[in-house]
Amino acid sequence: AQKVTQAQTEISVVEKEDVTLDCVYETRDTTYYLFWYKQPPSGELVFLIRRNSFDEQNEISGRYSWNFQKSTSSFNFTITASQVVDSAVYFCALVTTQLVFGKGTKLTVNP
Amino acid sequence: DAGVTQSPTHLIKTRGQQVTLRCSPISGHKSVSWYQQVLGQGPQFIFQYYEKEERGRGNFPDRFSARQFPNYSSELNVNALLLGDSALYLCASSSSPAGWTNTGELFFGEGSRLTVL
Repeated sequence: AQKVTQAQTEISVVEKEDVTLDCVYETRDTTYYLFWYKQPPSGELVFLIRRNSFDEQNEISGRYSWNFQKSTSSFNFTITASQVVDSAVYFCALVTTQLVFGKGTKLTVNP
Repeated sequence: DAGVTQSPTHLIKTRGQQVTLRCSPISGHKSVSWYQQVLGQGPQFIFQYYEKEERGRGNFPDRFSARQFPNYSSELNVNALLLGDSALYLCASSSSPAGWTNTGELFFGEGSRLTVL
């Protein structure tokens, strides 16, 4: 069975703080993909990153960085120097034969 | 270029009624998938279509059906609505036949928010 757990339901930070969103996944497949999506209040899901199971390199994109560790089945997402515009619900997702989302983490960045 | 467009954006129905939701993919995308997002939860996969053929189906009852047209737009139909069908229905398009595994990137619309009373 495939499962994605985002243990943090809500996180609140003050602008410029760093924040890490946790994602733990479960799958028996050796080939899979992991994603992060951002969902602002408007509703659409915005693609942030994709990782396949054979690529454990961490990635940095501006203020965003991702830490993929197969040994702990985790794919954590860090926002450095958070901004108010980062406020949204963030979803981690896993794909083998189907796309399975976690329940999301609501991030609120206060000015 | 226009993104994924969905209609209607909001609608209210009563139990037992039927609803049709529409989705137009990004130009050139041949794959469309549908997701149900209940308040406070992550989206759940309902269907995926590619070139008018169903390529995947999630764990939803037969009251849910979908189809894809020659222009790659899609409709999701839900019959005999239940209160529990109240949700945001998201459509996503992709250029990949698998919908996600090749290019990995799905482009989502803003959704249709269905309220069943």
